[in-house]
Amino acid sequence: KAGVTQTPRYLIKTRGQQVTLSCSPISGHRSVSWYQQTPGQGLQFLFEYFSETQRNKGNFPGRFSGRQFSNSRSEMNVSTLELGDSALYLCASSLAGFREQFFGPGTRLTVL
Amino acid sequence: DQQVKQNSPSLSVQEGRISILNCDYTNSMFDYFLWYKKYPAEGPTFLISISSIKDKNEDGRFTVFLNKSAKHLSLHIVPSQPGDSAVYFCAASNNAGGTSYGKLTFGQGTILTVHP
Repeated sequence: KAGVTQTPRYLIKTRGQQVTLSCSPISGHRSVSWYQQTPGQGLQFLFEYFSETQRNKGNFPGRFSGRQFSNSRSEMNVSTLELGDSALYLCASSLAGFREQFFGPGTRLTVL
Repeated sequence: DQQVKQNSPSLSVQEGRISILNCDYTNSMFDYFLWYKKYPAEGPTFLISISSIKDKNEDGRFTVFLNKSAKHLSLHIVPSQPGDSAVYFCAASNNAGGTSYGKLTFGQGTILTVHP
């Protein structure tokens, strides 16, 4: 079974731009969660989607948003990029009713 | 407010010996705990998990122990192998009324180095 895939793997943007990251979960997994990893803050939860609905949200500004499609694929969007948004963005999927999450390789975003 | 803490930033162990990675939590609502391993430039890999109704769970060389009264869990790797060298994260989940699915709260990680 294929794992979680994320595209693109690397991205360079400038301040003020916006970016969209994509995640394809493991087949059969309907829950998709997004995390931000930075050296200072570690791994922090952004939001979780299940059946196209945002079920949970972390403590991030409204510039961070996401959505999920009917095939469980998910996208996250960051608008008006700031230097501090430079991070590894990780997507994870899980089976309904299970707590174990399986992560993709991440998208490394650099904001210049 | 760091609810999950891994107080040892690094641990060095000889091949064949036991590695013990520790994790403390403060939120008594956490009822499920997980350990992940992470290599540079890769996403975390799930290792093992434990529900708060248990105090031990084993999977091959990996055993997780949970002490609820102390709000402490540990991951034992026996025997340790050089390929185990990675960053290890503990994570906690709180399914309060089913509203917290999908949210894992992570510790800061411990770098494990296993020397041949």
